[in-house]
Amino acid sequence: DADVTQTPRNRITKTGKRIMLECSQTKGHDRMYWYRQDPGLGLRLIYYSFDVKDINKGEISDGYSVSRQAQAKFSLSLESAIPNQTALYFCATRRSGASTEAFFGQGTRLTVV
Amino acid sequence: AQSVTQLDSHVSVSEGTPVLLRCNYSSSYSPSLFWYVQHPNKGLQLLLKYTSAATLVKGINGFEAEFKKSETSFHLTKPSAHMSDAAEYFCVVSDEADSWGKLQFGAGTQVVVTP
Repeated sequence: DADVTQTPRNRITKTGKRIMLECSQTKGHDRMYWYRQDPGLGLRLIYYSFDVKDINKGEISDGYSVSRQAQAKFSLSLESAIPNQTALYFCATRRSGASTEAFFGQGTRLTVV
Repeated sequence: AQSVTQLDSHVSVSEGTPVLLRCNYSSSYSPSLFWYVQHPNKGLQLLLKYTSAATLVKGINGFEAEFKKSETSFHLTKPSAHMSDAAEYFCVVSDEADSWGKLQFGAGTQVVVTP
């Protein structure tokens, strides 16, 4: 099984719909992140969480919300999806520490029509 | 604040020739630096990381990178490209003191390998 699992892998939704992307990890890491990837822009941070009680906005949090249900689970919600939220979304986990690497899920390709 | 600039959005090389992907960073403190690779329709895989030990870092699949503080650079190289190296590459900086452990990504470099 993958260390970081994202569901669904692909989703097409309509403008205005609420959608949730889920992420679970088996690494036992305390830090979890949600990124979106757009061509030519790299990965941009949406939200991050350093433990269950600690949620922080990233650089592009508008239109998104998150929930850290447990150390291993971190969900991203689009309250009212819009077409410019069409992107590839990645969840990542990382152990605390300056030099630790991040582990990424396989990504969720979201299309808003 | 930390930032990363990948100087080439696309690099095209012939199989068997050297690969050079350029990365410059900005950080107020002592950064950790990473290179990740993303093959088509795949997630991101760590190639190598710099963590203030040796400045020349060796990674997987024959890649290596050199940390040069005076030039604020962390360029990725490989002596001989293989067809399987065709992918997108990301330079990433993280500074625990400056950014609370957030990873800052460059825009990516798309590598094309021709036979």
